[in-house]
Amino acid sequence: DSGVTQTPKHLITATGQRVTLRCSPRSGDLSVYWYQQSLDQGLQFLIQYYNGEERAKGNILERFSAQQFPDLHSELNLSSLELGDSALYFCASSVDLGVGYTFGSGTRLTVV
Amino acid sequence: SQKIEQNSEALNIQEGKTATLTCNYTNYSPAYLQWYRQDPGRGPVFLLLIRENEKEKRKERLKVTFDTTLKQSLFHITASQPADSATYLCALPGSARQLTFGSGTQLTVLP
Repeated sequence: DSGVTQTPKHLITATGQRVTLRCSPRSGDLSVYWYQQSLDQGLQFLIQYYNGEERAKGNILERFSAQQFPDLHSELNLSSLELGDSALYFCASSVDLGVGYTFGSGTRLTVV
Repeated sequence: SQKIEQNSEALNIQEGKTATLTCNYTNYSPAYLQWYRQDPGRGPVFLLLIRENEKEKRKERLKVTFDTTLKQSLFHITASQPADSATYLCALPGSARQLTFGSGTQLTVLP
């Protein structure tokens, strides 16, 4: 157990639907990062939060949004899902910005 | 644009030998570089961080070098074991210190 909790572990949904992925960072970590990993691609950075505020955006689609709550947990919302959104979605947290990420076990999203 | 290249998508070596993985980058001036290990279907695990003013860093059987002139980091695993088989990723910080990861090198240690 890395200390970063992601739920659910698996998600199967239909095209056009909306899902929410949840991440609880390791205790004491203020930074949360979201990554997408498809079969044919490496880890793609989506978005970063630090203590509730958005700090950086990567290749995140407009159909995707995220937020970090006062208790530091974060949610990634994916809407109007397409087949190509099927991937592993990882959340990571760190004590300090950009140093020594701790990753969760990921949410495997399958869009059918 | 910024680019990270990890040469050889796959590397097979014999148990007991030293594995050497390469990470090259362009259009970055990183203050540090990190290496992670990822097993299939699992999240990456942080291994080592090396700063720009450090030439070499060691942790048990792992050694990392960082050459900011060549824009290259080498990652060595000495006395490799089958349990070292995994994908190894290098990562560099962006402007907001978010990490960009290379595509990884899949290492297989043959018994």
